[in-house]
Amino acid sequence: GAGVSQSPSNKVTEKGKDVELRCDPISGHTALYWYRQSLGQGLEFLIYFQGNSAPDKSGLPSDRFSAERTGGSVSTLTIQRTQQEDSAVYLCASEDRAYGNTIYFGEGSWLTVV
Amino acid sequence: AQKVTQAQTEISVVEKEDVTLDCVYETRDTTYYLFWYKQPPSGELVFLIRRNSFDEQNEISGRYSWNFQKSTSSFNFTITASQVVDSAVYFCAPRGGAASKLTFGTGTRLQVTL
Repeated sequence: GAGVSQSPSNKVTEKGKDVELRCDPISGHTALYWYRQSLGQGLEFLIYFQGNSAPDKSGLPSDRFSAERTGGSVSTLTIQRTQQEDSAVYLCASEDRAYGNTIYFGEGSWLTVV
Repeated sequence: AQKVTQAQTEISVVEKEDVTLDCVYETRDTTYYLFWYKQPPSGELVFLIRRNSFDEQNEISGRYSWNFQKSTSSFNFTITASQVVDSAVYFCAPRGGAASKLTFGTGTRLQVTL
């Protein structure tokens, strides 16, 4: 019955390494979103899943970024060969269409690339 | 696509004052939704209110109220008798339809002091 769960909550990684961020949406929610919030920047859309497919991945900033969702539930956002500009909070959100279009966010994964 | 302007970057009020946060949006969709989210220092985005474009009735929910004016594309949010715990960044976010993403404004930082 919990909200959107994200892990890790904090991650420090060295430039050039790959990272995986995980999102566990609210049980039964069919839609899942990834957003990014950089220091001093607004909230930037990355990708949207409906079930396991991604009808809108227009916000992924480069081919180093990818995401998948399996079983219509958990999603993983992968950043390859991390750069310092990837440092941000990565927020995941989910939505239950049956309850009419309210999107609920997790607490975010804080990524720092050093 | 949607666009949103939150002209107030930062607002400071003394506790118990009323405060209104402004939001002006642009959309080409005939049906759309409007949201307000709160982001306290902990970082999580907390859903506050949602409004459908076809329902311009303004409501009050506890200390929160909103004024939706379709003619001027504004969706302003008011906190009555503000409290220190209301200190946060507030985001207005329009959404074009059931399958589209939220588009966030740059946010308004509200500081409530004693």
